[in-house]
Amino acid sequence: QQQVKQSPQSLIVQKGGISIINCAYENTAFDYFPWYQQFPGKGPALLIAIRPDVSEKKEGRFTISFNKSAKQFSLHIMDSQPGDSATYFCAASGYDKIIFGKGTRLHILP
Amino acid sequence: DAGITQSPRYKITETGRQVTLMCHQTWSHSYMFWYRQDLGHGLRLIYYSAAADITDKGEVPDGYVVSRSKTENFPLTLESATRSQTSVYFCASGRSSGANVLTFGAGSRLTVL
Repeated sequence: QQQVKQSPQSLIVQKGGISIINCAYENTAFDYFPWYQQFPGKGPALLIAIRPDVSEKKEGRFTISFNKSAKQFSLHIMDSQPGDSATYFCAASGYDKIIFGKGTRLHILP
Repeated sequence: DAGITQSPRYKITETGRQVTLMCHQTWSHSYMFWYRQDLGHGLRLIYYSAAADITDKGEVPDGYVVSRSKTENFPLTLESATRSQTSVYFCASGRSSGANVLTFGAGSRLTVL
């Protein structure tokens, strides 16, 4: 199967809190797992990505955790800020395919 | 300007009309994609192209036609627009498919009355 299941559909977090978005995939042929961030009126843009040979990747306040055996990966946003309010898409890609999750609308309360 | 450009950004049309959304990229990326974004459905792939003159269907191709005579252009045509095609359309490009960074355009918001 080619699905990527993303949850939650929407998320509200207080400023300074941790935002967590989860994704699960089915096809073990996927070998690249990016997260895209989309602001209103804009196209999605690559935020951070990971390959399955590592369990975690951190870039500033953004961290991907990857569990290859469970076929799950998650995005953690530490010290969430109002400017992080956006829609986040996880994706899984492999040869000739990139499959997106349905997105999570994140709202950070000031 | 370098990047990926979509036009028009906004379009209102009527049922049954033909509409073409344009996409132009300046990176000479081999792969180009068309997605539609609808609330609750995320990004759904309509068509993609691996190179000039090579196109393939995605998840929701019905009612759409694409062509790619030049590497930099990838127009999407709705031959007879329907209300269900009201959506925001995104074009994207990348050096390859799979383990690839996609760069998206700003989107074209289409309303079919």
